[in-house]
Amino acid sequence: DAGVTQSPTHLIKTRGQHVTLRCSPISGHKSVSWYQQVLGQGPQFIFQYYEKEERGRGNFPDRFSARQFPNYSSELNVNALLLGDSALYLCASSLITEQFFGPGTRLTVL
Amino acid sequence: KQEVTQIPAALSVPEGENLVLNCSFTDSAIYNLQWFRQDPGKGLTSLLLIQSSQREQTSGRLNASLDKSSGRSTLYIAASQPGDSATYLCAVNTAGNMLTFGGGTRLMVKP
Repeated sequence: DAGVTQSPTHLIKTRGQHVTLRCSPISGHKSVSWYQQVLGQGPQFIFQYYEKEERGRGNFPDRFSARQFPNYSSELNVNALLLGDSALYLCASSLITEQFFGPGTRLTVL
Repeated sequence: KQEVTQIPAALSVPEGENLVLNCSFTDSAIYNLQWFRQDPGKGLTSLLLIQSSQREQTSGRLNASLDKSSGRSTLYIAASQPGDSATYLCAVNTAGNMLTFGGGTRLMVKP
């Protein structure tokens, strides 16, 4: 079985632009979570979705939004990009409690 | 608010040593605790999951313990190898599968 997949692998944007990151969970997993990892730090929780509904939101501005589709895949959208949004964005899926992470999307904002 | 701290931040050891990585958390009301490995620029690989009712979990050369009342977990790596070099992260699950991570321990095992 494939693990969690994310696309794209790398992305370069300029300040003020918007970006959409995509995640496909492990087959059968209905919960998807998003995390931001700034270089040298641990990941920080952004969103969790379960059965297409938002179940949790971290301390991130409204420029960050997400959604989950009927096939349980998910998108993370970030508007009005800032230099500080440069980070590795990680997606995780879970069946019950153990979380499995994808390879991440490296976003660079210039 | 849950806070997770990992000590030490970095560790360099010669191959073959047994070592202990520490993780502490401020709120003992957790569902579980997970240890992850992260190679540079890569995603997270789950190593061990300890439920709040458990005291320890083992996988190969890895052993993780949990003392929920004192807010501590340790990851023990036996007979370290150069391939163990990576960043090790602990994360606690306090509510609804939302993980709070520590800052990680960067481990270097020298041949």
